[in-house]
Amino acid sequence: EVQLVESGGGLVQPGGSLRLSCAASGFTFSSYWMSWVRQAPGKGLEWVANIKQDGSEKYYVDSVKGRFTISRDNAKNSLYLQMNSLRAEDTAVYYCARDQSVPLGGGYFDYWGQGTLVTVSS
Amino acid sequence: AIQLTQSPSSLSASVGDRVTITCRASQGISSALAWYQQKPGKAPKLLIYDASSLESGVPSRFSGSGSGTDFTLTISSLQPEDFATYYCQQFNSYPPLTFGGGTKVEIK
Repeated sequence: EVQLVESGGGLVQPGGSLRLSCAASGFTFSSYWMSWVRQAPGKGLEWVANIKQDGSEKYYVDSVKGRFTISRDNAKNSLYLQMNSLRAEDTAVYYCARDQSVPLGGGYFDYWGQGTLVTVSS
Repeated sequence: AIQLTQSPSSLSASVGDRVTITCRASQGISSALAWYQQKPGKAPKLLIYDASSLESGVPSRFSGSGSGTDFTLTISSLQPEDFATYYCQQFNSYPPLTFGGGTKVEIK
């Protein structure tokens, strides 16, 4: 059974940093592009970033470029999102999601984690 | 970035009703569109991919159609468990991957 379990969310002050993790199991993690998708309270879904199977390609939505870094450790079946210079507008539930489009990526998401809440507030 | 506009933003319907949700892309995206269902406090669930392909395990009352810029999600006979918010997502051109604003289906 495919499972994606996020962790690392919490309350952080504006300008602060946080690192999210996503533990994957039940599939060959190293074979898939992976993404982070977020959802602000009461709002819609927003794709944040994705990363290629070997970590050699990464893409970001403009609003997080230069502040967020996506990475992965295939040996640990884990996906990460390092978030720096956090702003109030980054407050959201962050989901990790598996990109079904193999091997090219940039597709749709067939499995999602349960999400982790990040709150940026003083 | 390709923008997706969903309509309506919300609707009220009764069990057994036929429900249609539309998604319009700001430019042509071929058939590179997916539909998701999200219930409160839960992660989105994939329903339809490639505009009209039903994800494994999804009931056949869900169907998708369209290509280019105009797409529809149809629920042929609304069931109690279908009350949720539905999102479209394009994957023709990225970055960024983009989602529609959502359509909330409520009980009439």
